[in-house]
Amino acid sequence: GESVGLHLPTLSVQEGDNSIINCAYSNSASDYFIWYKQESGKGPQFIIDIRSNMDKRQGQRVTVLLNKTVKHLSLQIAATQPGDSAVYFCAENLSTGGFKTIFGAGTRLFVKA
Amino acid sequence: DGGITQSPKYLFRKEGQNVTLSCEQNLNHDAMYWYRQDPGQGLRLIYYSQIVNDFQKGDIAEGYSVSREKKESFPLTVTSAQKNPTAFYLCASSILGAHQPQHFGDGTRLSIL
Repeated sequence: GESVGLHLPTLSVQEGDNSIINCAYSNSASDYFIWYKQESGKGPQFIIDIRSNMDKRQGQRVTVLLNKTVKHLSLQIAATQPGDSAVYFCAENLSTGGFKTIFGAGTRLFVKA
Repeated sequence: DGGITQSPKYLFRKEGQNVTLSCEQNLNHDAMYWYRQDPGQGLRLIYYSQIVNDFQKGDIAEGYSVSREKKESFPLTVTSAQKNPTAFYLCASSILGAHQPQHFGDGTRLSIL
């Protein structure tokens, strides 16, 4: 598989448990945030997004929470499944003065059966 | 199915050689991007294009070149001036706008012979 994801923070959870993956973003002017999932040998897949005028958004089995006060983003995965094992990373968009997306390095999630 | 296709999956370069990575999308997206992914690091932007026949340098453009002659195609050339080209290269596209997620291809792994 790809060597992407070496030396990343890791989170190990039991199948069926909930997972919480955290991300500290860098710029207080960022106004749009995205979570991606990247499996070995594949490109990142969009999971969920949130705008800065919201503090919570829910999808299917996933919830994103945004705390602008401390510049913190989290991804909660309910009833984690083996297929959720991957690297997860957040991205922040700055829309002032043109385009800029900043990607985090990611967290590796292991799901134990 | 709509999506982004990158080819080849694996590519090898000899010293002093230029190589071109292909990226094609049929999502009718105006914006396209090239990123480099190294182990344990976030994606770094090489080049991006928001319209045909126009493109801008990203954070690490040195040693790379691109063209955007057609809306659906955004090839990346890794030139011999790029001294550390071994990496996983990801192409993405998106609808124009600050609050739009990027959609990624499955990457090309470039290695030096």
